[in-house]
Amino acid sequence: AQSVTQPDIHITVSEGASLELRCNYSYGATPYLFWYVQSPGQGLQLLLKYFSGDTLVQGIKGFEAEFKRSQSSFNLRKPSVHWSDAAEYFCAVGPNTGTASKLTFGTGTRLQVTL
Amino acid sequence: DAGVIQSPRHEVTEMGQEVTLRCKPISGHDYLFWYRQTMMRGLELLIYFNNNVPIDDSGMPEDRFSAKMPNASFSTLKIQPSEPRDSAVYFCASSFQNREGGYGYTFGSGTRLTVV
Repeated sequence: AQSVTQPDIHITVSEGASLELRCNYSYGATPYLFWYVQSPGQGLQLLLKYFSGDTLVQGIKGFEAEFKRSQSSFNLRKPSVHWSDAAEYFCAVGPNTGTASKLTFGTGTRLQVTL
Repeated sequence: DAGVIQSPRHEVTEMGQEVTLRCKPISGHDYLFWYRQTMMRGLELLIYFNNNVPIDDSGMPEDRFSAKMPNASFSTLKIQPSEPRDSAVYFCASSFQNREGGYGYTFGSGTRLTVV
């Protein structure tokens, strides 16, 4: 069964500091990996996804993530955090079988940004 | 494109009442998903459809929950009778699939359900 672990429930960083949110997955085949962001009272917005090819993927809002197969990880990074980045971040995994299917989400990491 | 549209945004109902949540997917998306989000259990997939046909309903909690997709532009999630433990945010998402096999979900803004 597929699963996603986000080990950090809550992270606080200062504005302008760098950010790395951790994501580890368990999946029996090549996964399709996603990062979503959720602001309070809103739905989930796609930040980026890895399907194939270059293991370093760029997303919106200056975020990037790197797929490391050997470590079963897909960590999200941003070099300089802005106060507007405060939100909850979800990592998700799905099948890379050529068929859209259900995603399994992690429990989320809540990011707080201090000024 | 207006995105995935869910209604209502908020619903407060009394225990035992029937609740119907609605979703309009993005035109051209042939997959539709219903998720439930709670503090205790996070995001859980309830059911998903492909071309209006239910593919996997193993996440539906019990017989009180039912979902339909009568056409490509509309889906409902019904709870009858509702219970306080059904209080959650219910999200609808739709997805395309491209020729390379990639796909991507777009989520609606959710319906916050409170059962008192």
